[in-house]
Amino acid sequence: GAVVSQHPSWVICKSGTSVKIECRSLDFQATTMFWYRQFPKQSLMLMATSNEGSKATYEQGVEKDKFLINHASLTLSTLTVTSAHPEDSSFYICSAPAARTPFNQPQHFGDGTRLSIL
Amino acid sequence: DQQVKQNSPSLSVQEGRISILNCDYTNSMFDYFLWYKKYPAEGPTFLISISSIKDKNEDGRFTVFLNKSAKHLSLHIVPSQPGDSAVYFCAAVDNTNAGKSTFGDGTTLTVKP
Repeated sequence: GAVVSQHPSWVICKSGTSVKIECRSLDFQATTMFWYRQFPKQSLMLMATSNEGSKATYEQGVEKDKFLINHASLTLSTLTVTSAHPEDSSFYICSAPAARTPFNQPQHFGDGTRLSIL
Repeated sequence: DQQVKQNSPSLSVQEGRISILNCDYTNSMFDYFLWYKKYPAEGPTFLISISSIKDKNEDGRFTVFLNKSAKHLSLHIVPSQPGDSAVYFCAAVDNTNAGKSTFGDGTTLTVKP
Protein backbone atom coordinates (compact mmCIF):
# COMPACT_ATOMS: atom_id res chain seq x y z
CA GLY A 1 0.00 0.00 0.00
CA ALA A 2 0.86 3.65 -0.09
CA VAL A 3 3.68 4.57 2.27
CA VAL A 4 4.84 7.93 3.53
CA SER A 5 8.25 8.17 5.13
CA GLN A 6 9.09 10.98 7.53
CA HIS A 7 12.58 11.78 8.78
CA PRO A 8 13.94 12.34 11.36
CA SER A 9 11.72 10.70 13.93
CA TRP A 10 13.26 12.58 16.87
CA VAL A 11 15.20 15.81 17.12
CA ILE A 12 16.67 17.48 20.19
CA CYS A 13 18.46 20.75 19.62
CA LYS A 14 19.35 24.07 21.15
CA SER A 15 17.20 27.14 20.96
CA GLY A 16 17.90 29.18 17.83
CA THR A 17 18.66 26.18 15.65
CA SER A 18 16.78 25.60 12.40
CA VAL A 19 15.43 22.11 11.93
CA LYS A 20 14.43 20.47 8.66
CA ILE A 21 11.90 17.62 8.51
CA GLU A 22 11.47 15.56 5.36
CA CYS A 23 8.33 13.83 4.15
CA ARG A 24 8.56 11.39 1.25
CA SER A 25 5.94 9.43 -0.61
CA LEU A 26 7.68 6.14 -1.34
CA ASP A 27 5.60 4.43 -3.97
CA PHE A 28 3.35 7.12 -5.33
CA GLN A 29 3.48 10.72 -6.43
CA ALA A 30 2.00 13.37 -4.22
CA THR A 31 1.25 16.77 -5.68
CA THR A 32 -0.22 17.72 -2.33
CA MET A 33 1.05 16.99 1.15
CA PHE A 34 -0.20 18.20 4.50
CA TRP A 35 1.74 19.21 7.59
CA TYR A 36 0.19 18.85 11.03
CA ARG A 37 1.22 19.67 14.55
CA GLN A 38 -0.01 17.72 17.53
CA PHE A 39 0.16 18.68 21.18
CA PRO A 40 -0.16 16.00 23.86
CA LYS A 41 -3.67 14.60 24.20
CA GLN A 42 -4.91 16.86 21.45
CA SER A 43 -5.91 16.52 17.84
CA LEU A 44 -3.79 16.95 14.75
CA MET A 45 -3.88 20.62 13.82
CA LEU A 46 -3.35 21.37 10.15
CA MET A 47 -0.51 23.84 9.70
CA ALA A 48 -0.22 24.06 5.94
CA THR A 49 -0.86 22.43 2.62
CA SER A 50 2.25 21.78 0.59
CA ASN A 51 1.78 22.05 -3.16
CA GLU A 52 4.32 20.67 -5.62
CA GLY A 53 5.79 23.41 -7.75
CA SER A 54 3.99 26.26 -6.01
CA LYS A 55 3.77 28.04 -2.69
CA ALA A 56 2.38 26.34 0.34
CA THR A 57 -0.98 27.38 1.73
CA TYR A 58 -0.82 28.17 5.44
CA GLU A 59 -3.63 27.96 7.95
CA GLN A 60 -4.64 31.00 9.90
CA GLY A 61 -2.27 31.74 12.75
CA VAL A 62 0.67 29.78 11.33
CA GLU A 63 3.75 31.91 10.71
CA LYS A 64 4.98 31.44 7.17
CA ASP A 65 8.45 32.72 7.95
CA LYS A 66 8.72 30.44 10.95
CA PHE A 67 7.61 27.26 9.24
CA LEU A 68 9.11 27.13 5.76
CA ILE A 69 7.67 24.53 3.42
CA ASN A 70 9.23 23.37 0.19
CA HIS A 71 7.69 20.85 -2.18
CA ALA A 72 10.28 20.65 -4.91
CA SER A 73 9.38 17.25 -6.31
CA LEU A 74 6.40 14.95 -6.60
CA THR A 75 7.71 12.75 -3.81
CA LEU A 76 9.30 15.13 -1.31
CA SER A 77 8.07 17.94 0.90
CA THR A 78 10.16 19.54 3.64
CA LEU A 79 9.21 21.58 6.67
CA THR A 80 11.90 23.79 8.16
CA VAL A 81 11.33 25.21 11.62
CA THR A 82 13.51 28.30 11.56
CA SER A 83 15.23 29.61 14.67
CA ALA A 84 13.36 27.14 16.81
CA HIS A 85 12.47 27.99 20.40
CA PRO A 86 11.12 25.86 23.25
CA GLU A 87 7.53 26.78 22.39
CA ASP A 88 8.05 25.10 19.01
CA SER A 89 8.58 21.78 20.72
CA SER A 90 5.87 19.48 19.49
CA PHE A 91 5.03 16.46 17.39
CA TYR A 92 5.00 17.26 13.67
CA ILE A 93 3.45 14.86 11.19
CA CYS A 94 2.97 14.89 7.45
CA SER A 95 0.46 13.18 5.23
CA ALA A 96 -0.33 12.70 1.58
CA PRO A 97 -3.33 11.33 -0.27
CA ALA A 98 -2.63 8.29 -2.38
CA ALA A 99 -2.56 9.05 -6.06
CA ARG A 100 -5.82 9.61 -7.87
CA THR A 101 -8.03 9.59 -4.80
CA PRO A 102 -11.11 11.82 -4.75
CA PHE A 103 -11.08 14.78 -2.40
CA ASN A 104 -7.55 13.94 -1.18
CA GLN A 105 -8.84 11.10 0.97
CA PRO A 106 -7.84 9.03 2.77
CA GLN A 107 -4.57 10.44 3.99
CA HIS A 108 -1.43 8.36 4.39
CA PHE A 109 0.64 9.56 7.29
CA GLY A 110 4.29 9.53 8.13
CA ASP A 111 5.29 8.35 11.58
CA GLY A 112 5.89 11.88 12.80
CA THR A 113 8.82 13.86 14.18
CA ARG A 114 9.19 14.61 17.85
CA LEU A 115 10.90 18.01 18.10
CA SER A 116 12.36 19.06 21.44
CA ILE A 117 14.01 22.47 21.73
CA LEU A 118 16.17 23.02 24.78
CA ASP B 1 -14.19 26.52 18.38
CA GLN B 2 -13.51 22.84 17.89
CA GLN B 3 -15.52 21.57 14.96
CA VAL B 4 -14.93 17.87 15.57
CA LYS B 5 -15.21 16.51 19.09
CA GLN B 6 -14.57 13.14 20.61
CA ASN B 7 -15.92 13.58 24.10
CA SER B 8 -14.55 10.36 25.53
CA PRO B 9 -10.77 10.54 25.97
CA SER B 10 -10.63 6.85 26.80
CA LEU B 11 -12.65 3.67 26.59
CA SER B 12 -12.01 0.26 28.08
CA VAL B 13 -13.80 -2.90 26.94
CA GLN B 14 -13.45 -6.62 27.41
CA GLU B 15 -12.17 -8.76 24.59
CA GLY B 16 -15.01 -10.10 22.47
CA ARG B 17 -17.38 -7.31 23.41
CA ILE B 18 -18.41 -4.36 21.28
CA SER B 19 -16.45 -1.11 21.30
CA ILE B 20 -18.37 2.05 20.40
CA LEU B 21 -16.43 5.22 19.76
CA ASN B 22 -18.32 8.45 19.24
CA CYS B 23 -17.69 11.66 17.36
CA ASP B 24 -19.69 14.87 17.05
CA TYR B 25 -19.24 17.69 14.58
CA THR B 26 -20.63 21.16 14.18
CA ASN B 27 -19.84 22.17 10.60
CA SER B 28 -22.72 21.24 8.29
CA MET B 29 -20.37 21.59 5.31
CA PHE B 30 -18.56 18.40 6.26
CA ASP B 31 -19.51 15.73 3.76
CA TYR B 32 -16.98 12.95 4.24
CA PHE B 33 -15.87 11.31 7.45
CA LEU B 34 -13.04 8.97 8.33
CA TRP B 35 -11.70 7.02 11.25
CA TYR B 36 -7.98 6.58 11.75
CA LYS B 37 -6.17 4.33 14.17
CA LYS B 38 -2.88 5.26 15.77
CA TYR B 39 -0.37 3.14 17.64
CA PRO B 40 2.35 4.76 19.77
CA ALA B 41 5.32 6.08 17.79
CA GLU B 42 3.51 5.55 14.49
CA GLY B 43 1.44 7.76 12.24
CA PRO B 44 -2.33 7.32 12.00
CA THR B 45 -3.55 4.68 9.58
CA PHE B 46 -6.84 4.82 7.74
CA LEU B 47 -9.51 2.49 9.06
CA ILE B 48 -12.87 3.22 7.49
CA SER B 49 -14.80 6.10 5.97
CA ILE B 50 -18.32 7.17 5.13
CA SER B 51 -19.81 9.67 2.75
CA SER B 52 -22.59 11.98 3.89
CA ILE B 53 -24.98 10.36 1.43
CA LYS B 54 -24.83 7.14 3.43
CA ASP B 55 -25.74 6.31 7.00
CA LYS B 56 -23.73 3.14 7.40
CA ASN B 57 -20.57 1.57 6.08
CA GLU B 58 -19.26 -1.80 7.13
CA ASP B 59 -15.86 -3.40 6.70
CA GLY B 60 -15.34 -6.65 8.53
CA ARG B 61 -15.43 -6.04 12.26
CA PHE B 62 -15.68 -2.28 11.77
CA THR B 63 -18.87 -0.36 11.08
CA VAL B 64 -19.28 3.39 10.92
CA PHE B 65 -22.70 4.97 11.43
CA LEU B 66 -23.55 8.52 10.44
CA ASN B 67 -26.50 10.53 11.76
CA LYS B 68 -26.48 13.74 9.78
CA SER B 69 -29.39 15.35 11.57
CA ALA B 70 -27.61 14.88 14.90
CA LYS B 71 -24.18 15.63 13.39
CA HIS B 72 -22.93 12.48 15.00
CA LEU B 73 -20.96 9.48 13.87
CA SER B 74 -19.82 6.39 15.64
CA LEU B 75 -17.41 3.54 15.07
CA HIS B 76 -18.42 0.07 16.18
CA ILE B 77 -15.85 -2.66 16.57
CA VAL B 78 -17.20 -6.12 17.15
CA PRO B 79 -15.83 -8.35 18.43
CA SER B 80 -13.11 -6.25 20.01
CA GLN B 81 -9.62 -7.71 20.13
CA PRO B 82 -6.58 -6.76 22.23
CA GLY B 83 -4.80 -5.69 19.03
CA ASP B 84 -7.47 -3.03 18.57
CA SER B 85 -6.02 -1.14 21.55
CA ALA B 86 -4.91 2.19 20.09
CA VAL B 87 -5.91 5.81 19.77
CA TYR B 88 -8.79 6.36 17.36
CA PHE B 89 -9.20 9.68 15.59
CA CYS B 90 -12.34 10.86 13.90
CA ALA B 91 -11.80 13.17 10.91
CA ALA B 92 -14.21 15.25 8.88
CA VAL B 93 -13.70 16.67 5.42
CA ASP B 94 -15.30 19.62 3.67
CA ASN B 95 -14.79 18.82 0.03
CA THR B 96 -15.38 22.42 -0.95
CA ASN B 97 -12.33 23.38 1.12
CA ALA B 98 -9.55 21.60 -0.75
CA GLY B 99 -10.35 18.36 1.00
CA LYS B 100 -8.77 19.47 4.25
CA SER B 101 -9.29 17.16 7.19
CA THR B 102 -10.37 18.33 10.64
CA PHE B 103 -9.56 15.91 13.43
CA GLY B 104 -11.01 15.19 16.84
CA ASP B 105 -8.78 14.83 19.90
CA GLY B 106 -8.84 11.06 19.76
CA THR B 107 -10.14 8.30 22.00
CA THR B 108 -7.77 5.79 23.56
CA LEU B 109 -9.30 2.33 23.33
CA THR B 110 -8.06 -0.42 25.60
CA VAL B 111 -9.28 -3.93 24.97
CA LYS B 112 -8.62 -6.20 27.92
CA PRO B 113 -7.99 -9.91 27.37
